[in-house]
Amino acid sequence: QQPVQSPQAVILREGEDAVINCSSSKALYSVHWYRQKHGEAPVFLMILLKGGEQKGHEKISASFNEKKQQSSLYLTASQLSYSGTYFCGAQNYGGSQGNLIFGKGTKLSVKP
Amino acid sequence: DAGVIQSPRHEVTEMGQEVTLRCKPISGHNSLFWYRQTMMRGLELLIYFNNNVPIDDSGMPEDRFSAKMPNASFSTLKIQPSEPRDSAVYFCASTYEGASRQPQHFGDGTRLSIL
Repeated sequence: QQPVQSPQAVILREGEDAVINCSSSKALYSVHWYRQKHGEAPVFLMILLKGGEQKGHEKISASFNEKKQQSSLYLTASQLSYSGTYFCGAQNYGGSQGNLIFGKGTKLSVKP
Repeated sequence: DAGVIQSPRHEVTEMGQEVTLRCKPISGHNSLFWYRQTMMRGLELLIYFNNNVPIDDSGMPEDRFSAKMPNASFSTLKIQPSEPRDSAVYFCASTYEGASRQPQHFGDGTRLSIL
């Protein structure tokens, strides 16, 4: 089943922080985060495996809450280059990424 | 290193015509995925291959869609006959499965418009 992302869209001023959530109705094995700019391909940000870990990429980090079946992406001190649509992909069990299902995305706009 | 290469980048054709989308995965990757992206449904997996073998095609919408991977460096997605509702951006992605935490690398996509 498709994970649910929230919010659907967010507008920030440069330097502000944002949190994007990704929730699954089933137990999560891993969560994959991608960013897509308009007219371009999705670009990989990070993968988190169950275990409540946190990972970081530039000023972007993420957490994985196995109990809540949820992952959150944190963008701190946002930059104009962070604008784009953020997708989470949820794997409910291990094995091939053929079982990876993407959410509908969160559109992030960073204004000067 | 070359990334995933898709062709054509744009395709405009009339309803009923055959459409063939092409993908060259990253060398050394053993899994290939075809996705369709629309505003309504987001990024949907159509089919994926592992070691050139189709593993799961349950996402293929209809028999009008078919995909092949004759070798490790080439895959095609074919729509015959095409319909206006097939209009979307089609992405191909590849990864190496066998090592943990390997990301999928996406091609630039084919923007398909069926008139």
